[in-house]
Amino acid sequence: EVQLVESGGGLVQPGGSLRLSCAASGFTFSSFEMTWVRQAPGKGLDWVSYISSSGGTIYYADSVKGRFTMSRDNAKNSLYLQMNSLRADDTAVYFCGRTQAGGLIDFWGQGTLVTVSS
Amino acid sequence: DIVMTQSPDSLAVSLGERATINCKSSQSVLYSSNNKNYLAWYQQKPGQPPKLLFYWASTREFGVPDRFSGSGSGTDFTLTISSLQAEDVALYYCQQYYSTPYTFGQGTKLEIK
Repeated sequence: EVQLVESGGGLVQPGGSLRLSCAASGFTFSSFEMTWVRQAPGKGLDWVSYISSSGGTIYYADSVKGRFTMSRDNAKNSLYLQMNSLRADDTAVYFCGRTQAGGLIDFWGQGTLVTVSS
Repeated sequence: DIVMTQSPDSLAVSLGERATINCKSSQSVLYSSNNKNYLAWYQQKPGQPPKLLFYWASTREFGVPDRFSGSGSGTDFTLTISSLQAEDVALYYCQQYYSTPYTFGQGTKLEIK
C-alpha cells in the first residue's frame, strides 16, 4: 500500500524556520519524482516545489524561491522541505505528493499544518 | 506562468443529474511532439487530501467511476459527471503540468441541489 506521511508542521513565529519531512512507503521511492503543494485555510491548491527522482533537478514557485529548499534521501525513503524566513502567508497545510511526468501528482499524503504567527 | 481558470466557482446539481466543470488555460498545454494534453483533474473531499481523477486530460485513474469523464484539448477542458451521486460532493481542481510552475485552477465546489 502506497503511503506518504508528512511531519514537522507546527506554530512558528514570522522570520522563523521549520523543516518538513515526508516518509514514503509501499513503492520504490527512488524511482519517482516528488512534489510539495500547500493549501492555505479555506483556499485552493498552491504548487510549491518539485524534485526529480535523483534529486538533481529542483523547481520552486517564485513565492518560496530563496527561502525554501527541497531535498530527498532515497536511502531513507524520505523527502524534505526546509522553510526559512517564514511569513504569515506561508500558513497552510503542506502536502507531499508522488509525481510523474514532471507535475502529475498521482498520490498525496494527508498533509501537515504550518502556522506562522506571533 | 500559465493561469488556470475554472468555471463555475460553485455548482449545485440534483442527484442523478449531469454536472459539468470547465477549465481554461491561458496558453495551450498540448505538447505537439507527443500530442498529449498536460492537464489533470483532482477531487478533494472535506478534511482529505486531493485525489487524482484524470491525467492527460481524459485518461481516467484506476478506480474512478465511469460516470466521471474528462475531455478537451489545447486550452479548454471539461470534467463531466454524468449522474451525480451524493459521494461526489467535493471540490474539484484542474492542474496543468506542461510547464513550471505547475499551476492549479481556483477550484469548483460541487454541491447537491
